[in-house]
Amino acid sequence: NAGVTQTPKFRVLKTGQSMTLLCAQDMNHEYMYWYRQDPGMGLRLIHYSVGEGTTAKGEVPDGYNVSRLKKQNFLLGLESAAPSQTSVYFCASSYSGHYSSYNEQFFGPGTRLTVL
Amino acid sequence: GQSLEQPSEVTAVEGAIVQINCTYQTSGFYGLSWYQQHDGGAPTFLSYNALDGLEETGRFSSFLSRSDSYGYLLLQELQMKDSASYFCAVRDRLTGGGNKLTFGTGTQLKVEL
Repeated sequence: NAGVTQTPKFRVLKTGQSMTLLCAQDMNHEYMYWYRQDPGMGLRLIHYSVGEGTTAKGEVPDGYNVSRLKKQNFLLGLESAAPSQTSVYFCASSYSGHYSSYNEQFFGPGTRLTVL
Repeated sequence: GQSLEQPSEVTAVEGAIVQINCTYQTSGFYGLSWYQQHDGGAPTFLSYNALDGLEETGRFSSFLSRSDSYGYLLLQELQMKDSASYFCAVRDRLTGGGNKLTFGTGTQLKVEL
């Protein structure tokens, strides 16, 4: 099993350009998440999904959109990139349910995005 | 809102024991998680405490006191490969389901010879 994969690994954009980050998981997880990580800060939740066809806003959703058309995929879009969106983006997935054993989130390797 | 505090850096020698503390102030709380992240890598899950007390997993242990809003990660028999950043994260529930993790800013652990 590949776990959680992300494409691309690196990307450089110019201000105003758009792009889509793809996250895929093969663990049949219901829940998927997008985080951003900036230097000296922890991970912050951008958007999340609790199942196919559902999405919701997290802590820092402005400037991003998401879609979950298939259970295994979660896409993060930047419509008009800004330098403030320079960051490392991580996708994660987890089982559904409230039990402690369902708590763990599995992270992808990250996408390093620079906006000039 | 949620806020977590942990030391920014800790240095220890190989073979020693180190404790990384985490205090939190949260509006909702279901448990405290710990994640490890090596430079350039992805966060990986280490442990989770939903109830007060100590959870042990090999060389790593994690402790939680809900009444004190406090937890710690204990790493024993330190190895060079333990040099990484360690994040505590409060687990809460998201509207409509899902498990929200609010992360601390991380503690960079340096293990020296």
